Amino acid sequence: AQTVTQSQPEMSVQEAETVTLSCTYDTSESDYYLFWYKQPPSRQMILVIRQEAYKQQNATENRFSVNFQKAAKSFSLKISDSQLGDAAMYFCASHKKSSGDKLTFGTGTRLAVRP
Amino acid sequence: EADIYQTPRYLVIGTGKKITLECSQTMGHDKMYWYQQDPGMELHLIHYSYGVNSTEKGDLSSESTVSRIRTEHFPLTLESARPSHTSQYLCASSHAGAATQYFGPGTRLTVL
Repeated sequence: AQTVTQSQPEMSVQEAETVTLSCTYDTSESDYYLFWYKQPPSRQMILVIRQEAYKQQNATENRFSVNFQKAAKSFSLKISDSQLGDAAMYFCASHKKSSGDKLTFGTGTRLAVRP
Repeated sequence: EADIYQTPRYLVIGTGKKITLECSQTMGHDKMYWYQQDPGMELHLIHYSYGVNSTEKGDLSSESTVSRIRTEHFPLTLESARPSHTSQYLCASSHAGAATQYFGPGTRLTVL
């Protein structure tokens, strides 16, 4: 079974500082994707960034970047220059192509941003 | 504008009522999904569909049912709602063969 573990239930960061959210996963797939989704208080899940497992280069989207360590099955999210609008629940997810492209989600990390 | 819609956004109903949660997408996606999100925030896949007339059960057993008569529409029905069905329900969609799923705004259901 595919599992995704987020070991930090809550994190806090000062506005304009950098924070890293951790995620580890376990998969038997050779071809898969990894995702970070953000869920603000409005409750809509918003795609933050995605990483294709066969790509060695870490994905980057503006202030968001990942540190993808395939051998260690680690996929952390770095948020630079944190803004008040970054406060949300962040979910890590892994993709399983062999089961109809299903996503398995971690339990989430609640990020607070201090002004 | 291509998007994914869910109605209603909030619903409070009594036990025993039949309800249908609507999900529609204008993104041209073949695959659609329903997730149930606990108050503790974990997401669980309860139904998915590869396309018209295709429906599959997800990882979490659910008393709800779904249908897929049109590509853009994937409603979820509870024949007799119970307080244990109180949850957030999220609909998502993706292109066939693609990994990225896009989510609707969710329906927060409370059953009294």
